[in-house]
Amino acid sequence: TQLLEQSPQFLSIQEGENLTVYCNSSSVFSSLQWYRQEPGEGPVLLVTVVTGGEVKKLKRLTFQFGDARKDSSLHITAAQPGDTGLYLCAGARGNNRLAFGKGNQVVVIP
Amino acid sequence: SQTIHQWPATLVQPVGSPLSLECTVEGTSNPNLYWYRQAAGRGLQLLFYSVGIGQISSEVPQNLSASRPQDRQFILSSKKLLLSDSGFYLCAWNDLTGTAYNSPLHFGNGTRLTVT
Repeated sequence: TQLLEQSPQFLSIQEGENLTVYCNSSSVFSSLQWYRQEPGEGPVLLVTVVTGGEVKKLKRLTFQFGDARKDSSLHITAAQPGDTGLYLCAGARGNNRLAFGKGNQVVVIP
Repeated sequence: SQTIHQWPATLVQPVGSPLSLECTVEGTSNPNLYWYRQAAGRGLQLLFYSVGIGQISSEVPQNLSASRPQDRQFILSSKKLLLSDSGFYLCAWNDLTGTAYNSPLHFGNGTRLTVT
């Protein structure tokens, strides 16, 4: 059973469009992290959200942690080809072990 | 600055052969070390983690083992590979600076293992 469900699994959009991807769970997490992974490389941390309802912005990327700390969303404004990648969410479960979702594969077409 | 090295980048091994993947971290002391496997469509699966030399915790029963002979060295091994061991293996580290549950993971660039 997957602890974190990410949707949609795959998303293809044109450059300049906006997109939102989701990370959902029935479990409460003390924090949630978002990573981006490019082919043949390891994931790289984008942001950590800790407080329920928290919103963090990283340039054109906006991350939101649900009020109940069970879900999160990532919104990209005016997507660019450089935003292409696999976006992974990971929830902290305690003992410093993270549970990862399967990821949202985003492709931005020039 | 901290760096993590993982090798080899790619590996093709026959079924039944042994495996040894190595990971080293530089620029930090007493890191937590992790081995993950990423199979297509299945996300990242935690295989092993270590909080110190000689301390290994296994997350899932499998054909693999891990060892930490030195503070910043983590090795993933198998005596006899199975076809199902194919995948993308990632080593990662973090530390307990600040709040432990928020410590981000720093990943290596992975090893693509194909068992034939």
